[in-house]
Amino acid sequence: TQLLEQSPQFLSIQEGENLTVYCNSSSVFSSLQWYRQEPGEGPVLLVTVVTGGEVKKLKRLTFQFGDARKDSSLHITAAQPGDTGLYLCAGALRTGANNLFFGTGTRLTVIP
Amino acid sequence: DAEITQSPRHKITETGRQVTLACHQTWNHNNMFWYRQDLGHGLRLIHYSYGVQDTNKGEVSDGYSVSRSNTEDLPLTLESAASSQTSVYFCASSVDSSSYNEQFFGPGTRLTVL
Repeated sequence: TQLLEQSPQFLSIQEGENLTVYCNSSSVFSSLQWYRQEPGEGPVLLVTVVTGGEVKKLKRLTFQFGDARKDSSLHITAAQPGDTGLYLCAGALRTGANNLFFGTGTRLTVIP
Repeated sequence: DAEITQSPRHKITETGRQVTLACHQTWNHNNMFWYRQDLGHGLRLIHYSYGVQDTNKGEVSDGYSVSRSNTEDLPLTLESAASSQTSVYFCASSVDSSSYNEQFFGPGTRLTVL
């Protein structure tokens, strides 16, 4: 059983549409990170959220950490083909913890 | 520029053979990690190290071993490869003593066990 479950597992949308990816757990996390992975490469960090209720924006991407620090969401506005990739959430159970628990992943395809 | 590399990028082996995957980082990071990636499971931690001579088991460590003789390298060994170990393997490193540790990943090794 994965500590972090992501939904949906697969998402295929048209360019210009909006989408939201969810990352849920029954555990409380000290911080949560979102990574994006492109084919043939390793994941690359997009953002870290550390405070319950925190919202961070990165251009067209909006990240939110749940109030109880058990869940997070990634919202993409006006998706572009360049957003295509595998999105992974990852949580640390305590501040300063070196180990991360990764989610199950959401594979996004944006069709031109 | 600092980087993390993995070799080989692709490997095909037979059941029962010993296989070693290399990971080398020039970030001078204390922490290094090995993950396997399978569809529907995201990244699962195999082994990790917080420094030279330190190694620890992750959630899926059975059948794998690591050793850390220097800061730069953390080779992953499959003692007797099994078909269930067919996967994509990623090595990562991170800075020690940071509040929110970003992990830097290598490009991955695709391993097929026949």
